[in-house]
Amino acid sequence: QSALTQPASVSGSPGQSITISCTGTSSDVGGHNYVSWFQQHPGKAPNLMIYEVDNRPSGVSDRFSGSKSGNTASLTISGLQAEDEADYYCTSFTRSNTWVFGGGTKLTVL
Amino acid sequence: EVQLVESGGGLVQPGGSLRLSCGASGFTSSGYWMHWVRQAPGKGLVWVARINGAGNDRSYAESVQGRLTISRDNAKNTVYLQMNNLRAEDTAVYYCARGNSGYGNFDYWGQGTLVTVSS
Repeated sequence: QSALTQPASVSGSPGQSITISCTGTSSDVGGHNYVSWFQQHPGKAPNLMIYEVDNRPSGVSDRFSGSKSGNTASLTISGLQAEDEADYYCTSFTRSNTWVFGGGTKLTVL
Repeated sequence: EVQLVESGGGLVQPGGSLRLSCGASGFTSSGYWMHWVRQAPGKGLVWVARINGAGNDRSYAESVQGRLTISRDNAKNTVYLQMNNLRAEDTAVYYCARGNSGYGNFDYWGQGTLVTVSS
């Protein structure tokens, strides 16, 4: 199972919006709505930000939103803040009853 | 408060074995799928294995199939990862995570335990 494709890095200024893409295949991202997004700060465990494409867990800011079109899922962060600087990973359930992660995207807040 | 605490990591020689533990508290662990996810130094997250609440349904990443075995003891609220025939490429921080549905949704993670495979 190949990793999902994410851009290696994205950047934006405080207050701006950015979008991170996550591209898979019809066997994973495109086959259902079980796509999640995680935020990971250096040296810390990942934190769930979005689940089932566009759902936010309790306590996650509404500046974070998710969507999907075909085999590509997206995470959008609006009103960028310094604290959003972190690595972001997508993951998808697969047809093989396994999970696959994206390679990760480093977000830099300029 | 939900907590997951991993233990058992350390330095092991290639070909050696190690057993990781993940202690759960703050919830009834038998009601949840549990997963192991690893992260090699400076690299991304990789899903490793999962087990259902009853302990009778497991699946593994292809890269670890036959060498790593996930199990659980619900009486002890603990999930295990038995790691055999370890290779240098198994060097990573190993996280356990709770899946709040059968399709993932890894909503709680432990702090991780480092496994280093080296001679």
